[in-house]
Amino acid sequence: EPEVTQTPSHQVTQMGQEVILRCVPISNHLYFYWYRQILGQKVEFLVSFYNNEISEKSEIFDDQFSVERPDGSNFTLKIRSTKLEDSAMYFCASSDEGGLPRGSYEQYFGPGTRLTVT
Amino acid sequence: LAKTTQPISMDSYEGQEVNITCSHNNIATNDYITWYQQFPSQGPRFIIQGYKTKVTNEVASLFIPADRKSSTLSLPRVSLSDTAVYYCLVGADNAGNMLTFGGGTRLMVKP
Repeated sequence: EPEVTQTPSHQVTQMGQEVILRCVPISNHLYFYWYRQILGQKVEFLVSFYNNEISEKSEIFDDQFSVERPDGSNFTLKIRSTKLEDSAMYFCASSDEGGLPRGSYEQYFGPGTRLTVT
Repeated sequence: LAKTTQPISMDSYEGQEVNITCSHNNIATNDYITWYQQFPSQGPRFIIQGYKTKVTNEVASLFIPADRKSSTLSLPRVSLSDTAVYYCLVGADNAGNMLTFGGGTRLMVKP
């Protein structure tokens, strides 16, 4: 069964450093997402990406965050200057449908990257 | 965006049927109801989706009454490995199709 993969599984970085989290979505999917989950809290949407541009983003996704699909397979999330509060599990997801009716699709999540900012 | 309400936690024993009910009083006409499962330190995993009446797959059943203001996820004969958080999601915020997760229901299956 095809799956979303993410690297690294765990990233430790110092405050103020840049990090890049990498994802390989399922190959025929067209929609890509990043979510995060702070320990013990809800899964929160960060950004969705379609046709090489951001289609939606949340308030969390400020100027410190960026996403890119540098080639035909990878999808990356960059945090320019990490803060302590960026420590969380970051999940990449992909789907092969994204249109209406709303919610009539399935998003496939990767195993996550645990980001620890010290 | 329809708000969902589901129990914070539930306990069950191996072999029992578990029913988790979710309320979504302001569900919109075009909204689907989707359930995801999340094990500790893993990403959410799609379980089942429905629009009305009953949907069944190899993992679970989803019961949706005619008014669609609630839904019930039914897990037959749970095992210890079904211990997880179960999320009820309704619709999507807009055409970007972001998923909005609530707190979910933490199911603990005991031996």
